[in-house]
Amino acid sequence: DGGITQSPKYLFRKEGQNVTLSCEQNLNHDAMYWYRQDPGQGLRLIYYSQIVNDFQKGDIAEGYSVSREKKESFPLTVTSAQKNPTAFYLCASSIPGIRHGYTFGSGTRLTVV
Amino acid sequence: AQKITQTQPGMFVQEKEAVTLDCTYDTSDPSYGLFWYKQPSSGEMIFLIYQGSYDQQNATEGRYSLNFQKARKSANLVISASQLGDSAMYFCAMSPINTGNQFYFGTGTSLTVIP
Repeated sequence: DGGITQSPKYLFRKEGQNVTLSCEQNLNHDAMYWYRQDPGQGLRLIYYSQIVNDFQKGDIAEGYSVSREKKESFPLTVTSAQKNPTAFYLCASSIPGIRHGYTFGSGTRLTVV
Repeated sequence: AQKITQTQPGMFVQEKEAVTLDCTYDTSDPSYGLFWYKQPSSGEMIFLIYQGSYDQQNATEGRYSLNFQKARKSANLVISASQLGDSAMYFCAMSPINTGNQFYFGTGTSLTVIP
């Protein structure tokens, strides 16, 4: 079955540490996205990539970094520069055309301890 | 600037009744898509329904229909014959055609279906 796999489902990070969230898709989608979800704030775009080896900042990119070396993979690194990283992180992918919605992964819940 | 507004933080509905979840949007783009997603407590986002800005008819998908009023910039979701499994967060989203499939989400509405 095609889909998006995010791992791990739960992640704990000590303050000052970098941590990487995995996102893998086997849908052959060109575009991939990372969103952050906080209670009462909906989803906010962190980074997106429309093709391999290219990505753009979203609305809240500060303190995050990404790479897109393969079409299937779009890992997100939460760096120590991110002041409030505790949140639910969702990865998504899509194909061109506004009629096509996103396919989402099941999310990673990151908690800073 | 793009903006999606969902003014109902929480809604309750009796099982088997219909419920309307409100969504208004603001964009200067003439062409855009409107979407509704369901997020159960497990966290995944499930696509429900799509409406194109130039579509003449309101979209329907099973028990879901989208009441699209372009002049009022509203895209309300109607769920008919509510089921207990409909209890979840519901998000309205918009994707203007010139933003490379970038989505803008509302803050969501928590729906609880009462037996």
